[in-house]
Amino acid sequence: SQELEQSPQSLIVQEGKNLTINCTSSKTLYGLYWYKQKYGEGLIFLMMLQKGGEEKSHEKITAKLDEKKQQSSLHITASQPSHAGIYLCGADSYGQNFVFGPGTRLSVLP
Amino acid sequence: NAGVTQTPKFRILKIGQSMTLQCTQDMNHNYMYWYRQDPGMGLKLIYYSVGAGITDKGEVPNGYNVSRSTTEDFPLRLELAAPSQTSVYFCASREGVAAKNIQYFGAGTRLSVL
Repeated sequence: SQELEQSPQSLIVQEGKNLTINCTSSKTLYGLYWYKQKYGEGLIFLMMLQKGGEEKSHEKITAKLDEKKQQSSLHITASQPSHAGIYLCGADSYGQNFVFGPGTRLSVLP
Repeated sequence: NAGVTQTPKFRILKIGQSMTLQCTQDMNHNYMYWYRQDPGMGLKLIYYSVGAGITDKGEVPNGYNVSRSTTEDFPLRLELAAPSQTSVYFCASREGVAAKNIQYFGAGTRLSVL
């Protein structure tokens, strides 16, 4: 079965600092989704990556899917308190329908 | 734009009670999902549906039941609630499973079983 691991588990950064969150899959990824969850709320879609080497950006958040399509990274530039929350990667998985990683909890200190 | 609506937002149950978590989407999506999220953990798939009248088990289906009589509604039934079912429950929908068919999530139902 496919599993997604995320690192780090949690992250505390000072406002203005850059940070990276990683998502590693036990199998080849055919569609990797990044979501953000604010504490106590539902998930909000951020980005979706499909092709090896693909990179997408939205405001100060950039996501990449490596060439081998088994790892993705999410990079936040000049972090702000509004970036705080839980970041989850997810993927379509044959036989399991859809799987999520355990999430990375991000805190941004003003 | 309503999107995916879940009710109730909060609920406290006693052990052995039963309840139904409601989920409605207004996007005419074929696929609907129920997940649970335990503290500090990711989301685990309970049940999913690929269309009205068709449902299937996910990773953690024990203790739950679902039905899908219409495209819009996908209720989750808890029979004989147990403390292990204390969790936050999320409903989601998507148009299909092709690439770019992202999932849209409801705001969640926070359930405590005491």
